[in-house]
Amino acid sequence: GENVEQHPSTLSVQEGDSAVIKCTYSDSASNYFPWYKQELGKRPQLIIDIRSNVGEKKDQRIAVTLNKTAKHFSLHITETQPEDSAVYFCAARTWGYGNKLVFGAGTILRVKS
Amino acid sequence: DTAVSQTPKYLVTQMGNDKSIKCEQNLGHDTMYWYKQDSKKFLKIMFSYNNKELIINETVPNRFSPKSPDKAHLNLHINSLELGDSAVYFCASSPPSGVSTDTQYFGPGTRLTVL
Repeated sequence: GENVEQHPSTLSVQEGDSAVIKCTYSDSASNYFPWYKQELGKRPQLIIDIRSNVGEKKDQRIAVTLNKTAKHFSLHITETQPEDSAVYFCAARTWGYGNKLVFGAGTILRVKS
Repeated sequence: DTAVSQTPKYLVTQMGNDKSIKCEQNLGHDTMYWYKQDSKKFLKIMFSYNNKELIINETVPNRFSPKSPDKAHLNLHINSLELGDSAVYFCASSPPSGVSTDTQYFGPGTRLTVL
């Protein structure tokens, strides 16, 4: 089955700097890769996603890149702000198995002001 | 007007008890899920239902039994609770086939503490 590895497990950046979180997946048939943000005590919320027919997607300060050959995808946050502090999860889905998402272990992002 | 809702938000109970968590979505989605988030924040799928039919059943003890009375509701019943069941349980849902079956929307979570 699918396995998703996520790095780093914790990341501290200064406000205004960029943050990059990387994930690798094992199943080459995976075709959908969402990123979720979870604030303390709250639900995971989708912040951006990418499908396997696209190499990059941007939404304001957030971007995701996908390298299908290498089976890895990354989240890029530019001009970080204190409210970006949260746990970020990547996930991968292999079509045909009930829309099952396999999550990475999460990255705790701390933005220092 | 909450999209995916769960009750209760907190559940504290003794080992050996039986408890239920309820989930409802008003998004018109066909598919619903239960996830378990452990103390290390790891999110793992437990079950998924599509139009009241079980489609994903991960390696979960059979003390856990999901029930979907209709496609807007997915409840989770847990028998003979154990200490290791302490976690946050999230319900989620995703849109009907043909629209987009990708995005999953999570409920607020139920924090279960077994003493």
